[in-house]
Amino acid sequence: KAGVTQTPRYLIKTRGQQVTLSCSPISGHRSVSWYQQTPGQGLQFLFEYFSETQRNKGNFPGRFSGRQFSNSRSEMNVSTLELGDSALYLCASQRPGANVLTFGAGSRLTVL
Amino acid sequence: AQTVTQSQPEMSVQEAETVTLSCTYDTSESDYYLFWYKQPPSRQMILVIRQEAYKQQNATENRFSVNFQKAAKSFSLKISDSQLGDAAMYFCARLAAGSYQLTFGKGTKLSVIP
Repeated sequence: KAGVTQTPRYLIKTRGQQVTLSCSPISGHRSVSWYQQTPGQGLQFLFEYFSETQRNKGNFPGRFSGRQFSNSRSEMNVSTLELGDSALYLCASQRPGANVLTFGAGSRLTVL
Repeated sequence: AQTVTQSQPEMSVQEAETVTLSCTYDTSESDYYLFWYKQPPSRQMILVIRQEAYKQQNATENRFSVNFQKAAKSFSLKISDSQLGDAAMYFCARLAAGSYQLTFGKGTKLSVIP
């Protein structure tokens, strides 16, 4: 059974650019959530999607957005990148009622 | 804010010995779940163990066990017979029942000394 797949694994961008990260959940998992991990702030919740609807969003500016497709795959987008957006972005999926999240390997974003 | 606190930023243990990582949490929910996740240098967040708050019995997974003290809101992880592969960051996390948002602690970096 394939795990949670995140692409790309590494990417480098410059300030002001935008970036799109992709997450494919485990088959049958309909909930996808995103977390940002930085040395200073630790792991912070970004948002969660279920059946193409955003159900919850963390305390991040509007530059951070996401969406979910009908096949449960999710993308997150960060526009007008800032140096502070450099982080590991983790995606997790969950099947309804399971009460446990399975994580992908993450996408490491570096903003220069 | 409902927080998760890991008071030990770093710990070390001799190979084959036992180590305990501490975690306390704050919650207003009556039904919730607690987790320990391991993050090795490869960055993959791996589930180590899960505890349902409504269960009094402490969860166990092979060499990993927890000491869950609900009244004290304490959730420690014991690793027995430590192995080199146990070296990683360990994160304690809480999930309200029916929620999809984990709240994480800051993590404990565990080193295993051969």
